[in-house]
Amino acid sequence: QKEVEQDPGPLSVPEGAIVSLNCTYSNSAFQYFMWYRQYSRKGPELLMYTYSSGNKEDGRFTAQVDKSSKYISLFIRDSQPSDSATYLCAMSDYGQNFVFGPGTRLSVLP
Amino acid sequence: NAGVTQTPKFQVLKTGQSMTLQCAQDMNHNSMYWYRQDPGMGLRLIYYSASEGTTDKGEVPNGYNVSRLNKREFSLRLESAAPSQTSVYFCASSENGEAIMDYGYTFGSGTRLTVV
Repeated sequence: QKEVEQDPGPLSVPEGAIVSLNCTYSNSAFQYFMWYRQYSRKGPELLMYTYSSGNKEDGRFTAQVDKSSKYISLFIRDSQPSDSATYLCAMSDYGQNFVFGPGTRLSVLP
Repeated sequence: NAGVTQTPKFQVLKTGQSMTLQCAQDMNHNSMYWYRQDPGMGLRLIYYSASEGTTDKGEVPNGYNVSRLNKREFSLRLESAAPSQTSVYFCASSENGEAIMDYGYTFGSGTRLTVV
């Protein structure tokens, strides 16, 4: 079993839809969580981060952490074609050397 | 606003050849990393350097060596390339401690390496 798992997709949605992206993990010590967006042929860029459990909102993006279920989510509201990318979750137990998920490829259709 | 610069962007090697991937950052970060990205596998850590003068193995270090030349530069060397090392290689840098949560990792644009 991989330490961090994501559905690879591709996930195709119409413009304006609410998108839910998820990661599950096996290491209960993880308490730092990040979401990265990676456009084709580019390096990943940080979208959001959360510490421990709870929700965090930033514009159209909401990150949720459920440590009891070892499950994190990224929600995108009013999705746009420019949101088409691969989304990577990353997590760490002590805030360094983050472990990355394999990524979910999202396509938002105009 | 260069961030993290990687060279070269593309490379084709023959099995057994050696090469060095270069990485430089201009953000005064202490930590630097080398990852490889393969389809379905995500980003896997090869080596990292928490500060100038220190390096440590990551998840997949076999077949690679690194040098933290100074605070800005962190190079990755393939001594005898193998087809299994065909991948996209990313260099990244970050702050240490809680500051990493403000900015995360800053990644370069990658080196696409093919070993034939």
